[in-house]
Amino acid sequence: GQNIDQPTEMTATEGAIVQINCTYQTSGFNGLFWYQQHAGEAPTFLSYNVLDGLEEKGRFSSFLSRSKGYSYLLLKELQMKDSASYLCAVGRDDYKLSFGAGTTVTVRA
Amino acid sequence: GAGVSQSPSNKVTEKGKDVELRCDPISGHTALYWYRQSLGQGLEFLIYFQGNSAPDKSGLPSDRFSAERTGGSVSTLTIQRTQQEDSAVYLCASSYSIAGGGETQYFGPGTRLLVL
Repeated sequence: GQNIDQPTEMTATEGAIVQINCTYQTSGFNGLFWYQQHAGEAPTFLSYNVLDGLEEKGRFSSFLSRSKGYSYLLLKELQMKDSASYLCAVGRDDYKLSFGAGTTVTVRA
Repeated sequence: GAGVSQSPSNKVTEKGKDVELRCDPISGHTALYWYRQSLGQGLEFLIYFQGNSAPDKSGLPSDRFSAERTGGSVSTLTIQRTQQEDSAVYLCASSYSIAGGGETQYFGPGTRLLVL
């Protein structure tokens, strides 16, 4: 199976930057996903990294180091609407997508 | 359709009753997945379909759970003789293909199941 670890909660101020770390152990690695999930809603896709390095997409960036089994999601210029749970998910070369328990980010004014 | 749809959105049932949850994937998506999310927990993978075939059912929690997919489209997850521990949000997702786990999955709104 997979061990996927991410912090349970983070709090930050509006306009600030927050970095959510995710570490994983898996076989047959085939990419790492980040999803955003607002309370009571379905997860929505944010990013996918399969090669090492940083992928930037607007205010959100995602980084991957395959050798270290490590990824982070960087949220810049935080807005109140960014308050949500952020899920790290590891894809395998069979078919499964294994999710971490999620990091709840609270943005305060 | 525009996105993945699921029905019912909420289901309250009595312990021991059977329930049927429905998922309608994005048109043209060949892969379909079922997950379960208990309160405060991560998503638990249950089963996936490639077309109408479910090659691996080992993620289903018990033999009370079954799923089928017909016509390469709609899927039904059935829970027989429901137990209180089955209470959770059941999420369905679809992707264009199975592509070895690298395909983006698009999620439906989920069915919130409460077993009394």
